[in-house]
Amino acid sequence: GAVVSQHPSWVICKSGTSVKIECRSLDFQATTMFWYRQFPKQSLMLMATSNEGSKATYEQGVEKDKFLINHASLTLSTLTVTSAHPEDSSFYICSALSGGAHGTQYFGPGTRLLVL
Amino acid sequence: DAKTTQPTSMDCAEGRAANLPCNHSTISGNEYVYWYRQIHSQGPQYIIHGLKNNETNEMASLIITEDRKSSTLILPHATLRDTAVYYCIVRVAGNTGKLIFGQGTTLQVKP
Repeated sequence: GAVVSQHPSWVICKSGTSVKIECRSLDFQATTMFWYRQFPKQSLMLMATSNEGSKATYEQGVEKDKFLINHASLTLSTLTVTSAHPEDSSFYICSALSGGAHGTQYFGPGTRLLVL
Repeated sequence: DAKTTQPTSMDCAEGRAANLPCNHSTISGNEYVYWYRQIHSQGPQYIIHGLKNNETNEMASLIITEDRKSSTLILPHATLRDTAVYYCIVRVAGNTGKLIFGQGTTLQVKP
């Protein structure tokens, strides 16, 4: 089956620093990837759609200057949380779309971010 | 976007079939029904999807009513490892491929 990896699996950082999370599709190419955030005891919230070679599309209420997304290749998308604050602490999950626009999303294992 | 309604929680005895219902009465003709599950502290796992015909794979069966307003995910022989939150999602029409997650059903499989 389609495999998506994320790195790192968890990260602790100081307030004010930036953190980069990588999302890779290991056995398929993905022109479209997605980034989600999940707070404890809540469902996944879509943050943005990442398109290879073009700008990401952000959901309403998500600050594009704070959550920088780069999708430079067909197998890699990165999410950078800039100037992280404690309220950014969350579980960040990516997914990659396999099989084109009408294909299936496969999810990574998630990255747990703790901002002190 | 078509919304879905699922029970908040369900219990199932180990070894028995788990039947998880989902209502999607406003579904459009070209929208698929997707099922994912999320085991604690992991990323969601794809289970199955369908348009109007019943579907079966190695994990589960998906039964969609003829009017497509509801569906049922069936885990034929639930194990303790099937304890998870199960999400029924109607795929956003168009070519964005977005999935919008609701609250899902927490399935507790008990010995």
